[in-house]
Amino acid sequence: EDKVVQSPLSLVVHEGDTVTLNCSYEVTNFRSLLWYKQEKKAPTFLFMLTSSGIEKKSGRLSSILDKKELFSILNITATQTGDSAVYLCAVVYNFNKFYFGSGTKLNVKP
Amino acid sequence: DTGVSQDPRHKITKRGQNVTFRCDPISEHNRLYWYRQTLGQGPEFLTYFQNEAQLEKSRLLSDRFSAERPKGSFSTLEIQRTEQGDSAMYLCASSRRAVGQLSTNEKLFFGSGTQLSVL
Repeated sequence: EDKVVQSPLSLVVHEGDTVTLNCSYEVTNFRSLLWYKQEKKAPTFLFMLTSSGIEKKSGRLSSILDKKELFSILNITATQTGDSAVYLCAVVYNFNKFYFGSGTKLNVKP
Repeated sequence: DTGVSQDPRHKITKRGQNVTFRCDPISEHNRLYWYRQTLGQGPEFLTYFQNEAQLEKSRLLSDRFSAERPKGSFSTLEIQRTEQGDSAMYLCASSRRAVGQLSTNEKLFFGSGTQLSVL
């Protein structure tokens, strides 16, 4: 039973394109949703979302959460080859449980 | 800035051998997690410590797996009688639980992982 579903599983775009990555979830006692970027080894933290409708932004990346419809999106504008990575969504529930989706593999071509 | 460190980075072993991995969390972090990740999948939870107490273990953690955090600092994950299906990236992560309040803003900091290949 999947608790966190990410889509698409993989995506190929060209530099300069805008991409939208999706994460839907179904858990009890939802606390927060986290986005990570995984390039080679260690996932690195991008955003934490706890409230609906409040956009988090960092440079060309932004993310928003919808707690009613149980999903989040991660947007990347003006993509660069350095954005190529696996983007992981994790849902925190029951205070200390982190459940990860399978990730979206993004390949940005020059 | 001292992050989460894991050792070794890579481990190749023969089926049936025992292996042990080490994780050193960020020093002020009292929570430590072990995850396993296979190609094309997200990290899967294995076990979790708060200080030296192992508070939860996944059903994925068979009796061949054991984890310790004896002094509440570094942790070790041992796999006995390795099988080819154990081949994966083993990730360690740490976090800091704010004392006296709910952990609503907890986030994980990951190490670079140990890539295990069982031949």
